[in-house]
Amino acid sequence: SAVISQKPSRDICQRGTSLTIQCQVDSQVTMMFWYRQQPGQSLTLIATANQGSEATYESGFVIDKFPISRPNLTFSTLTVSNMSPEDSSIYLCSTYRESEAFFGQGTRLTVV
Amino acid sequence: KQEVTQIPAALSVPEGENLVLNCSFTDSAIYNLQWFRQDPGKGLTSLLLIQSSQREQTSGRLNASLDKSSGRSTLYIAASQPGDSATYLCAVISYNNNDMRFGAGTRLTVKP
Repeated sequence: SAVISQKPSRDICQRGTSLTIQCQVDSQVTMMFWYRQQPGQSLTLIATANQGSEATYESGFVIDKFPISRPNLTFSTLTVSNMSPEDSSIYLCSTYRESEAFFGQGTRLTVV
Repeated sequence: KQEVTQIPAALSVPEGENLVLNCSFTDSAIYNLQWFRQDPGKGLTSLLLIQSSQREQTSGRLNASLDKSSGRSTLYIAASQPGDSATYLCAVISYNNNDMRFGAGTRLTVKP
């Protein structure tokens, strides 16, 4: 199974600030994914990040708000910019190995 | 765009009962289907992965089936226990998008 280390596990942030979430995979992977899970909701895909190209964003998510980096095949970051209380959610990164999906532990973000 | 639906949204059963959770998807062109468990405030734990060529997978008291042509999967839990209480999520990876789409989940409560 793939091991994904995600940090921070939680944070409380002031509105208007930005938070960068990091995910480190224990081996090289082609695709990484970022999800948001709002309170009481299921997971919504934010974007797909391939190494060496710009991330592909889902409808309703834009690069200025959620910039993503993918500098190599084992690492990715998601930044939540200019935060508001509506951004309070759990954010999860994910990847595949042999067609099975694996997730980071999640980042619980609270914006006050 | 693939859409995944889970029924019921919530389920409460007495300990020892057998139960079935349902998942349906709109696009049958899938790589695989995966069932996850999520405990409150936690990340996702993979339970079972069914490849598109398979019809079912079993792990302990869990059995997942897949009928790709009708766009359906079921998760059968035998002899339920209070420790099974969690939200169960169904997710599919489609040929067209190569990303994972989630259902809204079924929140299961098993009463002692």
